[in-house]
Amino acid sequence: QVQLVESGGGLVKPGGSLRLSCAASGFTFSDYYMSWIRQAPGKGLEWVSYISSSSAYTVYADSVEGRFTISRHNAKNSLFLQMDSLRAEDTAVYYCARGDLHDISGPIDYWGQGTLVTVSS
Amino acid sequence: QSVLTQPPSVSGAPGQRVTISCTGTSSNIGAGYDVHWYQQLPETAPTLLIYANNNRPSGVPDRFSGSKSGTSASLAITGLQAEDEAEYFCQSFDSSLSGSWVFGGGTKVTVL
Repeated sequence: QVQLVESGGGLVKPGGSLRLSCAASGFTFSDYYMSWIRQAPGKGLEWVSYISSSSAYTVYADSVEGRFTISRHNAKNSLFLQMDSLRAEDTAVYYCARGDLHDISGPIDYWGQGTLVTVSS
Repeated sequence: QSVLTQPPSVSGAPGQRVTISCTGTSSNIGAGYDVHWYQQLPETAPTLLIYANNNRPSGVPDRFSGSKSGTSASLAITGLQAEDEAEYFCQSFDSSLSGSWVFGGGTKVTVL
């Protein structure tokens, strides 16, 4: 069965950095778009970034452009999110999510359990 | 402020029908991109409920249905049950700038 397991969350000071990881299993990871989506405490879902299957194409939300970097290692079935210059408003649960096989406008059909990132002094 | 607009809350008695609207613009829903719906139970990750406007993944009860018209979409829950009390989010693709995934702000469904 498909599994997405995030790790790397924690408490970090404003201006600091954190690297999130997502270990994927149960499917051919290298075939799919992958994404990071976050949810601030008590708030709705906010898309952060997605990456194409071959890493050729990455897109970011305006709120994180220039500060966050998404990447993947297909041979290790892993997705990453490098977060730099963190701000208080980046505090959220970060979900690793699987996109569609071929269509970027397709659904997000699997989500990880999430990892909490708290940015506070 | 979310790109897609949903009502913050809806409620209904067990057995009733409720609907949740999701309003977009000409660069997302109105451009022909599909709408997907997610259910988030308390303290859990979201799960896919409806994909491509009106399709249910395996295991989703048929009391959940979706529709889309113009720049809007709707999720309907018929025969409301206590276990349906959750947050519901719509999502689509937006072709502005480099292309992005956009979500609605979420609708809390309360079973009275």
